[in-house]
Amino acid sequence: DAKTTQPNSMESNEEEPVHLPCNHSTISGTDYIHWYRQLPSQGPEYVIHGLTSNVNNRMASLAIAEDRKSSTLILHRATLRDAAVYYCILRDGTSGTYKYIFGTGTRLKVLA
Amino acid sequence: DTEVTQTPKHLVMGMTNKKSLKCEQHMGHRAMYWYKQKAKKPPELMFVYSYEKLSINESVPSRFSPECPNSSLLNLHLHALQPEDSALYLCASSQEHSGDAYNEQFFGPGTRLTVL
Repeated sequence: DAKTTQPNSMESNEEEPVHLPCNHSTISGTDYIHWYRQLPSQGPEYVIHGLTSNVNNRMASLAIAEDRKSSTLILHRATLRDAAVYYCILRDGTSGTYKYIFGTGTRLKVLA
Repeated sequence: DTEVTQTPKHLVMGMTNKKSLKCEQHMGHRAMYWYKQKAKKPPELMFVYSYEKLSINESVPSRFSPECPNSSLLNLHLHALQPEDSALYLCASSQEHSGDAYNEQFFGPGTRLTVL
């Protein structure tokens, strides 16, 4: 199974951009890269996903390295409500199961 | 309605009890999932149902028994659990479970299970 590696925790000041990195050096050509976040006492929620190209949506941007071995989730202006655990996830396409393989997650702390 | 509901929110049970967790969605999704999440760890997949048939069992012990009575409902029957089974049990759903297209997973808030 492909695996992801993320820093355990990061801090950001409110209203500043945040770059959350993820390494996935064993990614295969068919694996999508997903980001979900889990707010306290809630289930994970979708943030963004991509395959090869950089992606933007109303919540965040996803920058994918050219070799696809790493990606970065970018929150353009962090707010206190963005404090959560952010998971970088690969969808396992090689085994044919298409199951989500969660990374260990980065706990983001946003300082007022 | 983009909500996945789970009941109960909290459950405390003894090792000899039998209990069930319930999950419901009304988004017309044909794939449903059970995940287990231990404290400060990422969710781990347990089961996947696709079109009401079990398609993935991640070698889960038989004391956990999933059931999908219809396309909107997913149950997890619990029997003779151990204290180490205490965790947050998350249910999720997606339009389909396949590699053909992207299918976002919608998660419920989870059931926090304590086994005494």
